[in-house]
Amino acid sequence: AQSVTQLGSHVSVSEGALVLLRCNYSSSVPPYLFWYVQYPNQGLQLLLKYTSAATLVKGINGFEAEFKKSETSFHLTKPSAHMSDAAEYFCAVSDRGTDKLIFGTGTRLQVFP
Amino acid sequence: DSGVTQTPKHLITATGQRVTLRCSPRSGDLSVYWYQQSLDQGLQFLIQYYNGEERAKGNILERFSAQQFPDLHSELNLSSLELGDSALYFCASLRGGGGSTDTQYFGPGTRLTVL
Repeated sequence: AQSVTQLGSHVSVSEGALVLLRCNYSSSVPPYLFWYVQYPNQGLQLLLKYTSAATLVKGINGFEAEFKKSETSFHLTKPSAHMSDAAEYFCAVSDRGTDKLIFGTGTRLQVFP
Repeated sequence: DSGVTQTPKHLITATGQRVTLRCSPRSGDLSVYWYQQSLDQGLQFLIQYYNGEERAKGNILERFSAQQFPDLHSELNLSSLELGDSALYFCASLRGGGGSTDTQYFGPGTRLTVL
């Protein structure tokens, strides 16, 4: 069965600092991986996705993620945090047969001035 | 704006009642997925419909059911509601039916509170 694990339920950074949100996956087939962001009282918005083209994936709002097969990881990074990045971030893997998403438990990002 | 609409935005009801949540997918999308987000269970997949047919089932309770209509909108019916059913219910739509690299687009959700 496919799954993702997000390490760290809460991450706090200062404005301008590097953001690193960790995600490890488990999959018996090459995975399709996603990062979604959820702002307070809103739905889920796609940040970026990996579908086996390039291992470094660039997303919206300056975020990127690198697929590392050897480490079964798909960590999300942003060089310089902004106050508006404060939100909950979800890593997900897609079931190949149905495209249903299997989500991690989420990481809440706080950004301090 | 994802193009996926959900109504109502908020729903407050009592235990034992029945409610219906509605989702309209993006124009042209044939698949609708329902997810439940709760504090104890996190985000979990409930059920998928593709072009009117049930395609996949997740951890959906027997008290819950769904359907997709010819115009492709979908409804999630929750009955005999319990306190633990309080959650945010999302629907998402996708162009194809499975095995694709398409993106799921999420609606804003319906927040259900059971008192």
